[in-house]
Amino acid sequence: DVVMTQTPVSLPVSLGGQASISCRSSQSLVHSNGNTYLHWYLQKPGQSPQLLIYRVSNRFSGVPDRFSGSGSGTDFTLKISRVEPEDLGDYYCLQSTHFPWTFGGGTKLELK
Amino acid sequence: EVQLQESGPGLVKPSQSLSLTCSVTGYSITSSYRWNWIRKFPGNKLEWMGYINSAGSTNYNPSLKSRISITRDTSKNQFFLQVNSVTTEDTATYYCARGYYTVDYWGQGVMVTVSS
Repeated sequence: DVVMTQTPVSLPVSLGGQASISCRSSQSLVHSNGNTYLHWYLQKPGQSPQLLIYRVSNRFSGVPDRFSGSGSGTDFTLKISRVEPEDLGDYYCLQSTHFPWTFGGGTKLELK
Repeated sequence: EVQLQESGPGLVKPSQSLSLTCSVTGYSITSSYRWNWIRKFPGNKLEWMGYINSAGSTNYNPSLKSRISITRDTSKNQFFLQVNSVTTEDTATYYCARGYYTVDYWGQGVMVTVSS
């Protein structure tokens, strides 16, 4: 299985500040079709995960441009600028290039 | 808008089978996409369990392959999860979700506890 190593586990931030979360895979996430299936989700307390970024850098419908994704191959980053209260929660990366699909361990974004 | 809703018993005894239903509205499960089951364990680890696609073919996580079955009822626009021979390690919140490569819409989840 592809191992997704997500860091940090906990990320204290100030409102209005910036946050950066890393996700590294144990093998390349470039699919044979040329696409890279690395996605980012936010799970708020009591809710199901919500899609933020798909295929590395594409914002899902309704996601503010404060969220951005980047990376390639095995190394990916989610950046959140101007953190707002509704951004707090648990962030996960998901790779769906290789079966079985696997998730990162999660990053808790919390107030400093 | 597509909506998914899980249902099923919240408590299952060890060695028995866990059976859940995902009811989908706003999109036909036979039109496109893969229809997935994903679970989140206490401690927050997420695990993709498997899917049934729009044609009715399935793909399962090898870690569960001998115990899992995903089926569907197209007349009701529902798909189902069955996990056999459950143990306490199957205690988790179970989500159904739509996605081909990108999982975009999730149900609210149903918490299932395995306990005698």
